[in-house]
Amino acid sequence: NAGVTQTPKFQVLKTGQSMTLQCAQDMNHEYMSWYRQDPGMGLRLIHYSVGAGITDQGEVPNGYNVSRSTTEDFPLRLLSAAPSQTSVYFCASSPSGSNNSPLHFGNGTRLTVT
Amino acid sequence: EDQVTQSPEALRLQEGESSSLNCSYTVSGLRGLFWYRQDPGKGPEFLFTLYSAGEEKEKERLKATLTKKESFLHITAPKPEDSATYLCAALGGGFQKLVFGTGTRLLVSP
Repeated sequence: NAGVTQTPKFQVLKTGQSMTLQCAQDMNHEYMSWYRQDPGMGLRLIHYSVGAGITDQGEVPNGYNVSRSTTEDFPLRLLSAAPSQTSVYFCASSPSGSNNSPLHFGNGTRLTVT
Repeated sequence: EDQVTQSPEALRLQEGESSSLNCSYTVSGLRGLFWYRQDPGKGPEFLFTLYSAGEEKEKERLKATLTKKESFLHITAPKPEDSATYLCAALGGGFQKLVFGTGTRLLVSP
């Protein structure tokens, strides 16, 4: 199993550009989520999904969209990039929708917005 | 407000020098306390889950313990390969209320 795969690993955007961060998992996990990690701050939840067709907002959802058309994929869309979105983004999954199961993380996408 | 505080921010040890990392939490209705290890350029990797005060879990040189206010990650006779950032996260009573600390950067020198 590859686990959780994120692409790309690195991305540079100009302010106002849009892009999609890809996330795929091959563990048949129901729960998937997106976090951002910034220096001096803990991981913060952006959006999550408890199953195909179901998504909801986390702690910091503004400026981001998600969709979950399949169990395997959970892309994160930046609608109009801003410098404040410069961060490292992690996708994570777990078998249980109740989120008290440990999370399996991808290796992240480092995004810089200039 | 739910909060998780980890200390110290950074810790430098000599190989074989045992120590402990602290994770203090204020979370209403704790449903789980998680420890993760994060290597540079990688995503966090799950280590332990603790569910109730008094619980302990061990894996190789690591042992995690839990009280009603804090959790400790004890590292016994560390090796250089234990160098990483260790994150803890507390899951509160509300759905999706998983709160992460900022981590402790551990460096073990040979």
